[in-house]
Amino acid sequence: DTGVSQNPRHKITKRGQNVTFRCDPISEHNRLYWYRQTLGQGPEFLTYFQNEAQLEKSRLLSDRFSAERPKGSFSTLEIQRTEQGDSAMYLCASSLANDRDGGYTFGSGTRLTVV
Amino acid sequence: DAKTTQPPSMDCAEGRAANLPCNHSTISGNEYVYWYRQIHSQGPQYIIHGLKNNETNEMASLIITEDRKSSTLILPHATLRDTAVYYCIVREYSSASKIIFGSGTRLSIRP
Repeated sequence: DTGVSQNPRHKITKRGQNVTFRCDPISEHNRLYWYRQTLGQGPEFLTYFQNEAQLEKSRLLSDRFSAERPKGSFSTLEIQRTEQGDSAMYLCASSLANDRDGGYTFGSGTRLTVV
Repeated sequence: DAKTTQPPSMDCAEGRAANLPCNHSTISGNEYVYWYRQIHSQGPQYIIHGLKNNETNEMASLIITEDRKSSTLILPHATLRDTAVYYCIVREYSSASKIIFGSGTRLSIRP
């Protein structure tokens, strides 16, 4: 297993367009997290899944954002009608439900630029 | 909201020990101290965590004060590759808790 994989690495889109990002977690990890990070700030929690169930969503996750993890494996994060304020790095992480020893494993992120 | 306070930036000479402080004065008895770091253009990387005893692994050492209100991450022999933002996080040790990041400390290693 090569760790958490995120695609694409970079995405440039025009305001108003829809974008979708993909995250492939470590195969045996049943938890998957999405974070957003803007320049100079720490990552902000968006949502997380345990298997296919979305267990928590942040208030940051407006109704334009939707995340899915249909079979409890990979996950997608879709942003509809993108705005310039959506420009950020979107990070995915995975862990075991009992992550006491190793913490989260993060991917390298998808950098979104809305023009 | 993040429950920790860290200096925004620090620097250290290559080969010397880097000591990164963190204040967590409101930590509760069931909360652990975690450290992550983020190298430029990469996702955060787990370093170490502890409850009240000092911890050491191949990456770093974690020293937690007896009252648990502060801690120090020690990188014993800093290299240029240790240049990163270091996040100190307080987190409940339960399956429902999640990691909440603050702004971290930007550590620069000078040659």
